[in-house]
Amino acid sequence: DIVMTQSPLSPPVTPGEPASISCRSSQSLLHRNGNNYLDWYLQKPGQPPQLLIYLGSTRAPGVPDRFSGSGSGTDFTLKISRVEAEDVGVYYCMQALQTPRTFGQGTKLQIK
Amino acid sequence: QVHLQQWGAGLLKPSETLSLTCAVYGGSVSGFYWGWIRQSPGKGLEWIGDTDQANFNGKTNYHPSLKSRVTISVDTSKNQVSLNLSSVTAADTAIYYCARGEESYSYGLDFDYWGQGTLVTVSS
Repeated sequence: DIVMTQSPLSPPVTPGEPASISCRSSQSLLHRNGNNYLDWYLQKPGQPPQLLIYLGSTRAPGVPDRFSGSGSGTDFTLKISRVEAEDVGVYYCMQALQTPRTFGQGTKLQIK
Repeated sequence: QVHLQQWGAGLLKPSETLSLTCAVYGGSVSGFYWGWIRQSPGKGLEWIGDTDQANFNGKTNYHPSLKSRVTISVDTSKNQVSLNLSSVTAADTAIYYCARGEESYSYGLDFDYWGQGTLVTVSS
């Protein structure tokens, strides 16, 4: 199985400031078709997860452009250009390359 | 707008079978994958399995650790997806989510719509 690793907590961030969350996979998520099969999900308190980013860097419909994804192979980053209070929650990366699909343990975004 | 509504028994005894149903509104079950993901209390997300039974490929994938106990099925006539997990134990206590999966470039799976979640507790 592909193991996904995330830090459990992000450094506290002030609204309006940027934030960055990292995810590392135990195997490359780069498919021979040139796409990285890495998703980012946000789970707000009391809600199901919501898809933010797929293929490592493509924003899902309706996701604000302050969210961006980058990386390739085994190292990926989710960036929030200007954090808002509504962004609080736990961010999960998930590898979509192979089954079993596996999630990182989640990174909790802390707002100052 | 696609909306997934889940229901099923919330309290089970060990050895019983977990059965959950997920109704799809605002869209068809055909043409997509449908998956189940669970989240143990205070823990992260665990993929259970997914299927595109309603489509040409008819492929179903299960987590190896659950494969002997789990069945995911699609009822196109009711536009519903179901999950059955047999011989449950306390370790199966979790919030269970259904989700729609869509492939990207005919590969992988991204879960773009999720049900509200159903808490299932296994206790004697």
